[in-house]
Amino acid sequence: SQTIHQWPATLVQPVGSPLSLECTVEGTSNPNLYWYRQAAGRGLQLLFYSVGIGQISSEVPQNLSASRPQDRQFILSSKKLLLSDSGFYLCAWNGLQTYEQYFGPGTRLTVT
Amino acid sequence: AQSVTQLDSQVPVFEEAPVELRCNYSSSVSVYLFWYVQYPNQGLQLLLKYLSGSTLVKGINGFEAEFNKSQTSFHLRKPSVHISDTAEYFCAVSHAGNNRKLIWGLGTSLAVNP
Repeated sequence: SQTIHQWPATLVQPVGSPLSLECTVEGTSNPNLYWYRQAAGRGLQLLFYSVGIGQISSEVPQNLSASRPQDRQFILSSKKLLLSDSGFYLCAWNGLQTYEQYFGPGTRLTVT
Repeated sequence: AQSVTQLDSQVPVFEEAPVELRCNYSSSVSVYLFWYVQYPNQGLQLLLKYLSGSTLVKGINGFEAEFNKSQTSFHLRKPSVHISDTAEYFCAVSHAGNNRKLIWGLGTSLAVNP
């Protein structure tokens, strides 16, 4: 069966510090991968999605970036965090010929 | 462009009462529809999905939803809720050729009171 992992689970970082969040999927090949942010406990904002290694599409311009160095690994990064980057970050995947997405447990990021 | 509207931001209900969470969508093409549930500080879990076929879809935890093409709706129902159903519920839509992205509603907070 397929599983999706995210780490860390929680993170407290000062403004201006770098960020790296990691997401990995097991039990499937060539998934579509997605990064979402959920602010203030409501609503999902799609940040990035990837249809393959090295292929990243950005949905919202911001100081975040994403990379997909391996088929089942998706990384969200920032060089300098802003207060507004605080939120709950969710990674998701879907497989070939499927439309439903499956979510990881999320990372709670607090920028102080 | 597609959009999803969840008509109620908050729904309070008493335990063992029925509940309906409303979702309407707009799209010019055939759609695929989904309901997800999110418990506090957790990821989203798929409740049910409509891809094709029967318009009445049954999901996990006793939930069901009905696809109504003429009214462009996909309302979620449960005949008798439990305290444990207290959570955030999200409706989402996708269609072929959209890179399998989902368009999301803003969510409905269901609060089940004893």
